[in-house]
Amino acid sequence: DAGVTQSPTHLIKTRGQQVTLRCSPKSGHDTVSWYQQALGQGPQFIFQYYEEEERQRGNFPDRFSGHQFPNYSSELNVNALLLGDSALYLCASSFWGADVAFFGQGTRLTVV
Amino acid sequence: GNSVTQMEGPVTLSEEAFLTINCTYTATGYPSLFWYVQYPGEGLQLLLKATKADDKGSNKGFEATYRKETTSFHLEKGSVQVSDSAVYFCALTGRNTGTASKLTFGTGTRLQVTL
Repeated sequence: DAGVTQSPTHLIKTRGQQVTLRCSPKSGHDTVSWYQQALGQGPQFIFQYYEEEERQRGNFPDRFSGHQFPNYSSELNVNALLLGDSALYLCASSFWGADVAFFGQGTRLTVV
Repeated sequence: GNSVTQMEGPVTLSEEAFLTINCTYTATGYPSLFWYVQYPGEGLQLLLKATKADDKGSNKGFEATYRKETTSFHLEKGSVQVSDSAVYFCALTGRNTGTASKLTFGTGTRLQVTL
């Protein structure tokens, strides 16, 4: 049983560019959440998707957007990249209403 | 809002030493509490959890007890190994429907165990 998979594992982008990160949830899970983990910090909640809709959102600007597909996979899009967007982006999947989440290994985004 | 405070690291211990990593929280209602571990270059792995007051979560020799009166969830292990070297995150999530996986994390505590 594959766990949560994320792609790509590493990415380097230039300021002002746009980036798309992808996540496939653990088999059977229907809810995907995204987190940003800056170096030396704990993960910060970006948003959560269920039934192809954004259900909750953390304190992140509109430059951060997402999508969930009918197969429950998800994308995180970030527009107009800033140097401060450099971080490890983690995807977590779960069953809707459950309190246990399973995390992928993350995508390391570097903005130069 | 919800928040989690962890002791700052790094914590450096010799193998077989006793480990305590302190964690306190602020939350409305009755949150679920978690410890996650992050090994170098990897994502987060759930270590243990507790869902109500006085519950004790345990896994791989690690334990933590949900103390509502002190709003704490301290992580302990009686005898650490070099392989336990990692960053440990205390976290909580609300109990309301729809807040699944909206975890609030502490800043993490790095543990280094030496021979």
